Amino acid sequence: DTAVSQTPKYLVTQMGNDKSIKCEQNLGHDTMYWYKQDSKKFLKIMFSYNNKELIINETVPNRFSPKSPDKAHLNLHINSLELGDSAVYFCASSHQGASNYGYTFGSGTRLTVV
Amino acid sequence: KNEVEQSPQNLTAQEGEFITINCSYSVGISALHWLQQHPGGGIVSLFMLSSGKKKHGRLIATINIQEKHSSLHITASHPRDSAVYICAVEQRGSNYQLIWGAGTKLIIKP
Repeated sequence: DTAVSQTPKYLVTQMGNDKSIKCEQNLGHDTMYWYKQDSKKFLKIMFSYNNKELIINETVPNRFSPKSPDKAHLNLHINSLELGDSAVYFCASSHQGASNYGYTFGSGTRLTVV
Repeated sequence: KNEVEQSPQNLTAQEGEFITINCSYSVGISALHWLQQHPGGGIVSLFMLSSGKKKHGRLIATINIQEKHSSLHITASHPRDSAVYICAVEQRGSNYQLIWGAGTKLIIKP
């Protein structure tokens, strides 16, 4: 039933490791996003994909790479994890840029790098 | 200065009180969103506005495009309304990007 599901919910890993966070939506939305919530609770967009094309790519390190095997999935791969990558990452989806339908968010993935 | 400013940053009130959270923005927008973040971290989209007023249960959202201001009201507040409320705007012509406010942390005491 979950509209936007992220896995895992919690991820603890050591510096230098490579990890992935998965996101799937069953809403038929055509755009998916990854947001990072920083320590001040600001949500900052990292990536968005519309019909398998990257349309927004904020100034994030190239250690972060989005992978979209199909319209329903947008996974986030992170290489060579650093302490500063610790944050909550949210996946979201929308249709037609959300001007008509709003956003639906996943429950978040809390990443802790030790 | 942030392009989206929310006030207050923190708000504590008693159960039953009428709550108002404000959002001001400085850019041209195509839509404004109000979202709720629960203590566990999940985010729920509450409203999307481009004009006027919307109501859902005890929640009311208004927007004044000329004044670049929106308010979120909660009537008959309840402890379960305790959460962070976030205002976000879709900047016109920005290719779907949202500009986020810092959020308002609301605590409703029984």
